[in-house]
Amino acid sequence: EIVMTQSPATLSVSPGERATLSCRASQSVSSNLAWYQQKPGQAPRLLIYGASTRATGIPARFSGSGSGTEFTLTISSLQSEDFAVYYCQQYNNLITFGQGTRLEIK
Amino acid sequence: QITLKESGPTLVKPTQTLTLTCTFSGFSLSTSGVGVGWIRQPPGKALEWLALIYWDDDKRYSPSLKSRLTITKDTSKNQVVLTMTNMDPVDTATYYCAHSGPFFDIWGQGTMVTVSS
Repeated sequence: EIVMTQSPATLSVSPGERATLSCRASQSVSSNLAWYQQKPGQAPRLLIYGASTRATGIPARFSGSGSGTEFTLTISSLQSEDFAVYYCQQYNNLITFGQGTRLEIK
Repeated sequence: QITLKESGPTLVKPTQTLTLTCTFSGFSLSTSGVGVGWIRQPPGKALEWLALIYWDDDKRYSPSLKSRLTITKDTSKNQVVLTMTNMDPVDTATYYCAHSGPFFDIWGQGTMVTVSS
């Protein structure tokens, strides 16, 4: 089973600043990597698939990069609505989620 | 517009079998490439993938839960059913179904299931 490790567990950033979230796979998942945003009491929302393709309706401030085992989600200029929990998910070999990164207001 | 909605019991007793139904609209599970998956989330914890069924009836399961899970589809009713046997309090969670290809682009609202005697 592929293990997905996200870091940091919690990230404190001020509005308007850049946030960089990391996700590492225990073995290569090629570009079969998705990112989700989840707010309290809501279902997750797909942000990125294929490691770098934004889902429909996702603002351009969200970008994904990486391949193989190392991936990054970058939010270029944080808005108030971006403070949430973010999960990565590999779908190269079955499906596994990371444990999440909580993005909080500094 | 794709929508999915989960339904099932909110409370089950330990050792019982849980049966959840995902009723969807806006797509067909007979269309090539389409799938529906189940994911759960214990209170305050991370997402955990459970199972996935594709248009061609290909079924995939989480290795750690495979012995307890069964996923089926009824294309005519636009439904996917997940059964989980031998429920335990640690299975208390919100259970989501989602449209898959195989990342999950549209999610249901989720249904909370509590396992308690």
